[in-house]
Amino acid sequence: ETGVTQTPRHLVMGMTNKKSLKCEQHLGHNAMYWYKQSAKKPLELMFVYNFKEQTENNSVPSRFSPECPNSSHLFLHLHTLQPEDSALYLCASSQEGTRVTFYEQYFGPGTRLTVT
Amino acid sequence: GQNIDQPTEMTATEGAIVQINCTYQTSGFNGLFWYQQHAGEAPTFLSYNVLDGLEEKGRFSSFLSRSKGYSYLLLKELQMKDSASYLCAVRLTGGGNKLTFGTGTQLKVEL
Repeated sequence: ETGVTQTPRHLVMGMTNKKSLKCEQHLGHNAMYWYKQSAKKPLELMFVYNFKEQTENNSVPSRFSPECPNSSHLFLHLHTLQPEDSALYLCASSQEGTRVTFYEQYFGPGTRLTVT
Repeated sequence: GQNIDQPTEMTATEGAIVQINCTYQTSGFNGLFWYQQHAGEAPTFLSYNVLDGLEEKGRFSSFLSRSKGYSYLLLKELQMKDSASYLCAVRLTGGGNKLTFGTGTQLKVEL
């Protein structure tokens, strides 16, 4: 595997279900991100992790719960979602640090989530 | 708040040149990115500008004017495969690597 992978690619869940999205990066990066992409809206940053520590929670509802067990893996736990949470959820990674001069984020292919 | 504006849609002809504009008003600025996203796929990096001027990379070029809060992406010798959404994103100051994205410009390349 190379780059950033995400599973599952598609997920349909009911409002009472609990599910998790998984992201894995094979780039040796130390920062990982969750984004939400809805139709006709900009990519919205949800969470940022640097060196496994959460450094950003962009006012995301508590029904979304991130977990970062190590610098290569990132999860997004979902419970009691609403239909308006249906969207493409993208994971990204990058290398952070004072000696880094280029901050490109590498994206995974995303999980297409439908809440029924 | 942060505001990034791009045209919603553009159409161009194969072999032509197209310029996609992006204007931004943000509370800080530490670089501007352009990404390409084909339908159903991950956004992929195209270019990065942090200083004023033009950056050229093959058929793609990107320009930045920090004083005007303005950037454009120039695509030359358009190909059908260039039909995609083009996302403008500003990296904010204040530590970390927070990107604020525009809504994207859907480019359609026609014969």
